[in-house]
Amino acid sequence: EIVVTQSPATLSVSPGERATLSCRASQSINSNLAWYQQKPGQAPRLLIYGALTRASGVPARFSGSGSGTEFTLTISSLQSEDFAVYFCQQYNNWPPITFGQGTRLEIK
Amino acid sequence: QVQLVQSGAEAKQPGASVKVSCKPSGDIFTGHHIHWVRQAPGQGLEWMGKIDPKTGGTHFAQKFQGRVTLSRDTSISTVYMEMNRLRSDDSAVYYCAISVEAAAVPSYDYWGQGTLVTVSS
Repeated sequence: EIVVTQSPATLSVSPGERATLSCRASQSINSNLAWYQQKPGQAPRLLIYGALTRASGVPARFSGSGSGTEFTLTISSLQSEDFAVYFCQQYNNWPPITFGQGTRLEIK
Repeated sequence: QVQLVQSGAEAKQPGASVKVSCKPSGDIFTGHHIHWVRQAPGQGLEWMGKIDPKTGGTHFAQKFQGRVTLSRDTSISTVYMEMNRLRSDDSAVYYCAISVEAAAVPSYDYWGQGTLVTVSS
């Protein structure tokens, strides 16, 4: 099973600043990684798939990068609605599909 | 418009079974594999398994093999997740989810609203 590790667990950033979230896989997953945003009481929302492709309707301030074992989600200028929990997910070697434990992005 | 509508919250005792339904809208029922993901309170996401509604074929995470059944009723375009021998640590929100935009990969752009299952004596 591929283990996916996110860092940091919590990230405090001021509105308007850049946020960088990391995701590491225990072995190469090529570009088979997705990022999700989740707000309290809601289902996750797909942001990025294929490591760098924005899902339909996702603002351009969200960007994904990386391949192999190291991945990054960057939010270029944080808006109030971006403060949430973010999960990465690998789907290279499955079953099982595995998720990271999440990064909580909070207002500084 | 794609929607996944799940059944309502359930409260069960340890050792019991629960069956959660997920009904995709429109004509997407046989066109997409339906995955199940759960989330314990305050915790992360855990993939459970998936079903191909067209064939009934399933795959599971090893953790759930033998305790979870995924099935479908094609006459009403609905899929089901049934879990047996419930324990307190099975208390979670259970989601069904599908991939439409990138249909070839399991990146979920549509999710059900979630079904809260509470296991307590």
